[in-house]
Amino acid sequence: AQSVTQPDIHITVSEGASLELRCNYSYGATPYLFWYVQSPGQGLQLLLKYFSGDTLVQGIKGFEAEFKRSQSSFNLRKPSVHWSDAAEYFCAVVSTDSWGKLQFGAGTQVVVTP
Amino acid sequence: ETGVTQSPTHLIKTRGQQVTLRCSSQSGHNTVSWYQQALGQGPQFIFQYYREEENGRGNFPPRFSGLQFPNYSSELNVNALELDDSALYLCASSWGGTGAGGRNEQFFGPGTRLTVL
Repeated sequence: AQSVTQPDIHITVSEGASLELRCNYSYGATPYLFWYVQSPGQGLQLLLKYFSGDTLVQGIKGFEAEFKRSQSSFNLRKPSVHWSDAAEYFCAVVSTDSWGKLQFGAGTQVVVTP
Repeated sequence: ETGVTQSPTHLIKTRGQQVTLRCSSQSGHNTVSWYQQALGQGPQFIFQYYREEENGRGNFPPRFSGLQFPNYSSELNVNALELDDSALYLCASSWGGTGAGGRNEQFFGPGTRLTVL
């Protein structure tokens, strides 16, 4: 069955430290890949997306993600986190033969400490 | 440019009742998707509407139904509410529908928090 896995439910990171959030997918073919962020009381905001080509993609707010086909992974990174990065982060995929049904992982809650 | 809006913000209902949630899509978008996000979980796809027709559906029972209007706004209706229907309901709009193949960004509204007692 198709699935999206975010192994880390909760991550605590110090302000200024680096952050990496993991995402693994199980699909028949490489799907379209996305990372969204959700702040309390807010909807989902797209951070970045990968369709094809360069496996390192840059997004908003200083985030980047790397697609690794051999590992079926699409991990999100930020070199130096800010207190405002505290939020929940969701990895999502869309099958390339679909009409835009996003399948989300369970999310990773990021807490930033001073 | 107005973003995606949803109403109401919060709603409390009792088991067995019916509820209607509303979504106004972003200007220029013709596709609306609805998602259910239970507490502590990722959003789950309910269905998508493209040009007033249901364009795909997730694993939700028929008591979850929807409409899309000529101005591309949308409604989500849930009949015979159950306790497990308590969740944040998210609406997302995009441009394209089937032809887009999932590449077009979906813009999410802030959601409606439904509590079923």
